[in-house]
Amino acid sequence: ILNVEQSPQSLHVQEGDSTNFTCSFPSSNFYALHWYRWETAKSPEALFVMTLNGDEKKKGRISATLNTKEGYSYLYIKGSQPEDSATYLCAPLYNFNKFYFGSGTKLNVKP
Amino acid sequence: ETGVTQTPRHLVMGMTNKKSLKCEQHLGHNAMYWYKQSAKKPLELMFVYSLEERVENNSVPSRFSPECPNSSHLFLHLHTLQPEDSALYLCASSQEGGPAWGYTFGSGTRLTVV
Repeated sequence: ILNVEQSPQSLHVQEGDSTNFTCSFPSSNFYALHWYRWETAKSPEALFVMTLNGDEKKKGRISATLNTKEGYSYLYIKGSQPEDSATYLCAPLYNFNKFYFGSGTKLNVKP
Repeated sequence: ETGVTQTPRHLVMGMTNKKSLKCEQHLGHNAMYWYKQSAKKPLELMFVYSLEERVENNSVPSRFSPECPNSSHLFLHLHTLQPEDSALYLCASSQEGGPAWGYTFGSGTRLTVV
């Protein structure tokens, strides 16, 4: 079992605040990293797929960076909105067909 | 809707019951997965089917029995479960072929064993 750590476990911010959270994972034999957004009572939804060291991806107000040598990824949300409230999961891929999920960061954005 | 449909959404069953969870996808994906999420734990991979063959069985107790009759359907047959098996069971599908692919998830079945 691989240890994928996400921090913080939960986060409460005000609307308009910018925020970021971390995913740490073993760097040996790393293949790819996915970020998922999971709203309550819905399906996890893929946000980003990242493979190369130094990768930066952006989707609207959300962006992510990847450091494969030291084994971490950051997810940033600029100007948080209430609709950003969700659990954000990271999932590194090492072997064929097997993602290892972190426990997630639960974000609550207050209006 | 994501294209991956799970039924039922909620299930309450006794420890002596037999029930099945169903997952269906019409995305043309060739791999399907069962994941379990218990309270305050990460998603745990249970089973992987690739091209309708089981390629992964992650030390799951035999009271959970998967079935993949074709590339669009996946079942999880449940029998003599324990209360600690109460969890959210998520189905996912993907198109294999490289690190660019990811999962499309269903909404899950919330299972309560009484």
